[in-house]
Amino acid sequence: AQKITQTQPGMFVQEKEAVTLDCTYDTSDPSYGLFWYKQPSSGEMIFLIYQGSYDQQNATEGRYSLNFQKARKSANLVISASQLGDSAMYFCAMVTPLVFGKGTRLSVIA
Amino acid sequence: DAGVIQSPRHEVTEMGQEVTLRCKPISGHNSLFWYRQTMMRGLELLIYFNNNVPIDDSGMPEDRFSAKMPNASFSTLKIQPSEPRDSAVYFCASSKQGASEKLFFGSGTQLSVL
Repeated sequence: AQKITQTQPGMFVQEKEAVTLDCTYDTSDPSYGLFWYKQPSSGEMIFLIYQGSYDQQNATEGRYSLNFQKARKSANLVISASQLGDSAMYFCAMVTPLVFGKGTRLSVIA
Repeated sequence: DAGVIQSPRHEVTEMGQEVTLRCKPISGHNSLFWYRQTMMRGLELLIYFNNNVPIDDSGMPEDRFSAKMPNASFSTLKIQPSEPRDSAVYFCASSKQGASEKLFFGSGTQLSVL
């Protein structure tokens, strides 16, 4: 069975600093995909970034990048130049179908 | 383009009552998913449909829960009878094709069963 582990219940980061949110996964499937979603206090789920298991390069989307280490089965999210609006819950997830981790609450401090 | 539309946004009901949650996926999306979010259990997949056909309903908690997708633009999740432990946020999501693609989520329905 697929499993996603996010070990950091909460994180604090200073505005304009970079922060890494950890995610490890477990699967026996050779082909899989990893997602990160953001859930602000308003409750909606916002897609951030996707990494396929066969992708040669780490995914990047603007200030978001995914540090994909296949051998370690980790897919950490890196947010550069944190902004106050980045304060939210962040969920790592794996397909197929989409299974979510417990999430990390990120708080950005001015 | 409109996103995934869920209704109602909030539902408060009494134990034993029937509850129906509704979802309209993004036009052209062939896959639809129902998730439940609670503090204790996080986000759980309840069921997903591909081309209106239920593919995996192993996450449906028990027989009190049922989901239908009569056509490509509408799905319902029904709880009958409802219990206080069903209180949660229920999300509907859709994707273009299959469970391996990016999901687009609705705003969720906050259900409170008293």
